[in-house]
Formats: sequence, structure tokens, C-alpha cells
Amino acid sequence: GGIITQTPKFLIGQEGQKLTLKCQQNFNHDTMYWYRQDSGKGLRLIYYSITENDLQKGDLSEGYDASREKKSSFSLTVTSAQKNEMAVFLCASSPRLDTEVFFGKGTRLTVV
Amino acid sequence: AQSVTQPDARVTVSEGASLQLRCKYSYSGTPYLFWYVQYPRQGLQLLLKYYSGDPVVQGVNGFEAEFSKSNSSFHLRKASVHWSDSAVYFCALSARDYAQGLTFGLGTRVSVFP
Repeated sequence: GGIITQTPKFLIGQEGQKLTLKCQQNFNHDTMYWYRQDSGKGLRLIYYSITENDLQKGDLSEGYDASREKKSSFSLTVTSAQKNEMAVFLCASSPRLDTEVFFGKGTRLTVV
Repeated sequence: AQSVTQPDARVTVSEGASLQLRCKYSYSGTPYLFWYVQYPRQGLQLLLKYYSGDPVVQGVNGFEAEFSKSNSSFHLRKASVHWSDSAVYFCALSARDYAQGLTFGLGTRVSVFP
């Protein structure tokens, strides 16, 4: 088995601030994902990466950057936090794009 | 384009009763299908998956799901629920010609009362 570790667990930022979320996986999976989860809206894909140094935009990429410098890590940057924004960001990984996905426990973002 | 619909946003059930959660999908081919569960303040955990073969698949904690190609459905069932089954359940689809991984439904929140 393996584990996906997301840091920090909770993140409070100020409006306009640049915020970075980190994710590490020890499954040795090629593909990694960042999803945003809002109440009532399910999971929306922000960025994904099929291998080290690869980046692909999802449906919700505007306002975010991502980085995959190592196979085991995938970071997400909120380029300018929006006031009153509250969401959970989930990192995930999978062996391939069409197989089951394994999730971390999430980072809860609050912008004041 | 593919999609997943979970028609019930919330389901309330008594402990010991049976549970069925509905999932309908739209995809022209034969998809891979998944059910995930999310407990409070946790990520999503895989309950079961269907790739091919027997349309009834068994998962963890007594859950099973049945794939129906004719109905484009993948309903989840449990014969007798426990209070600890209170969670949000997500159905997901993998369309093998879709380059962005899984497509998720909006989830069904299940509340189990004693």
C-alpha cells in the first residue's frame, strides 16, 4: 500500500495572497491530480500530470499554477486568493489515467 | 462527452435497513466504473470498481454494485447499514478515450439513524 500526504491540512490566507499547497505520494504512481471540492459541486479537476515535469490543465485551471518537479510530488499554487473563498483541495494519484484514483485527506482553504 | 448523474443528493435510512444508491452514466463506449466513499474531513476512499466480467461486483464493508449496460447504470447496494456508513458516496466513470482521468458525480449524502 501507499499514502498520499497533503500539507498543510488547513490554510488561511488573505485576499490577493499567493498560496501553495503540497502533495507527496509513495505509491510510485505516474499520474497525479489536483481537485477542488466545493459543497454541492462535486469534484472539479484543476490540474493533472501524467509524468514528472508534465502539466495538463483541467476544467478549473484559471487562477492556479502547478508544478511536478519529481515523480512523487505535485504542488498547487493559488495565484491570487479570492476573499471569502472556502474550499477543500484534494490531491490524488493513479497508475494510469483510466484506473482507480487514490486520494489524500485534503487541504482546507479559507480566505479572509 | 461523458457524464455521471447521481439523482439523489441526500438519503436517510434507519440502521439495519437496506440501502441503494443510484448512479447513471452517459458514455458511448463501455466504461470503467467506481464507487468512492468520503467520511467527514477525509479524502475519498475506493469502495469497489468494475472493469469487465460479472456485472455484480463486491466491495469493502459489505457493499456491492451492479453494472447494467442496457440501463447505463451502476447502482450501489448494502443489505444492512450501520451508523458508521453515514458519509458521502461518489460514483465515477473512466472513459478510456478521455484524457483527464475520472468523471465524478455530485455525490449522495447518506445519513443513518438509530
